[in-house]
Amino acid sequence: AQKVTQAQTEISVVEKEDVTLDCVYETRDTTYYLFWYKQPPSGELVFLIRRNSFDEQNEISGRYSWNFQKSTSSFNFTITASQVVDSAVYFCALSEANTGNQFYFGTGTSLTVIP
Amino acid sequence: DADVTQTPRNRITKTGKRIMLECSQTKGHDRMYWYRQDPGLGLRLIYYSFDVKDINKGEISDGYSVSRQAQAKFSLSLESAIPNQTALYFCATSDLSGLLNEQFFGPGTRLTVL
Repeated sequence: AQKVTQAQTEISVVEKEDVTLDCVYETRDTTYYLFWYKQPPSGELVFLIRRNSFDEQNEISGRYSWNFQKSTSSFNFTITASQVVDSAVYFCALSEANTGNQFYFGTGTSLTVIP
Repeated sequence: DADVTQTPRNRITKTGKRIMLECSQTKGHDRMYWYRQDPGLGLRLIYYSFDVKDINKGEISDGYSVSRQAQAKFSLSLESAIPNQTALYFCATSDLSGLLNEQFFGPGTRLTVL
């Protein structure tokens, strides 16, 4: 069973629109971590955010914000006023304390921001 | 200098050849990982190592082997490469001495098997 589901395979938005990337996870651990990574066309993986299971506070960083809801096992990522430079593949990942902190990645969402 | 380096960055080889991908890190982390990325499948774990004497299979270890030569080095080998091993390969490190639990990724190696 997929531990991390990113149902949106591809999304296209026009520049300056807001966009939300969905991430749903599955775990029985009480201690776990959630991550978002960005993969621009150049291919490297860029760390965006980490959240632990005990901290449900939403976070905002510039145009980026994250909504962590344990009740729905979701960790969604919103980009406000999107820009062309936001075009990339975005991965959500889960790490569980009881499985040696292995990372489980979602299949990624490819975001295209159209100028 | 990058904390996690991978060599080579690109490699084209033929079916049946033996290939080694190397990963080095200067972060002093104990844990190292190898992933492959295929379009539409995300990153999948091949092997991981929690210290020099520890090797563990990941989700898709068949056709691969690894060697942890030192804390800083973790190599991935394809004994007899096949075309469906064409992918982007990432090495990563992590350190659980704190609570951060972040994985740090290398720049990736793009492997093409003809």
